Amino acid sequence: IAGITQAPTSQILAAGRRMTLRCTQDMRHNAMYWYRQDLGLGLRLIHYSNTAGTTGKGEVPDGYSVSRANTDDFPLTLASAVPSQTSVYFCASSDSEAGGPRDTQYFGPGTRLTVL
Amino acid sequence: AQSVTQLGSHVSVSEGALVLLRCNYSSSVPPYLFWYVQYPNQGLQLLLKYTSAATLVKGINGFEAEFKKSETSFHLTKPSAHMSDAAEYFCAVSVRSGNQFYFGTGTSLTVIP
Repeated sequence: IAGITQAPTSQILAAGRRMTLRCTQDMRHNAMYWYRQDLGLGLRLIHYSNTAGTTGKGEVPDGYSVSRANTDDFPLTLASAVPSQTSVYFCASSDSEAGGPRDTQYFGPGTRLTVL
Repeated sequence: AQSVTQLGSHVSVSEGALVLLRCNYSSSVPPYLFWYVQYPNQGLQLLLKYTSAATLVKGINGFEAEFKKSETSFHLTKPSAHMSDAAEYFCAVSVRSGNQFYFGTGTSLTVIP
């Protein structure tokens, strides 16, 4: 079934460690996004990419980095994890030519990350 | 700047009753508006979206929403709740000039048998 896969499903991480959350889509969508979901705060955009080779900062980018080497993959890296990065992380993609604002976003199943 | 406010973090309705989930937006330019649903331990799925065509938008599973510019609202309704509607619902806004989406804090819907 086509869609977005995320790995790992969940992870417990010691503070200070480096962690990469993986996201792969097989829909050939140009735009991809990373969100974090926290209770009472909804979803907040971390980083986005309108097309392979380009990335941009969202609402809460500090402490996170992304890369977009190809269309399908959009990994999110925490260089040195802190407890405030404990959250559920969702990857999403949309099918416009350049991440149009009217586009439907398709979400992965999420990664639950706990930083101790 | 754009933002979304969802009134009521928790809503309970009886099975068969009307579902009304409220969403108000703030935008200095004409917005695009979305409702997404999240079932437990899953990602979000699109219910419906408003992209400046008809103001009454029909979505999946019997849901609909009406864009009211004068009230800056985009409330989600369903005439008769079903047990399977129990989930978290998110309203979101984006604008023509941008490529970012802003989500509300979500409303958890409980359906009582």
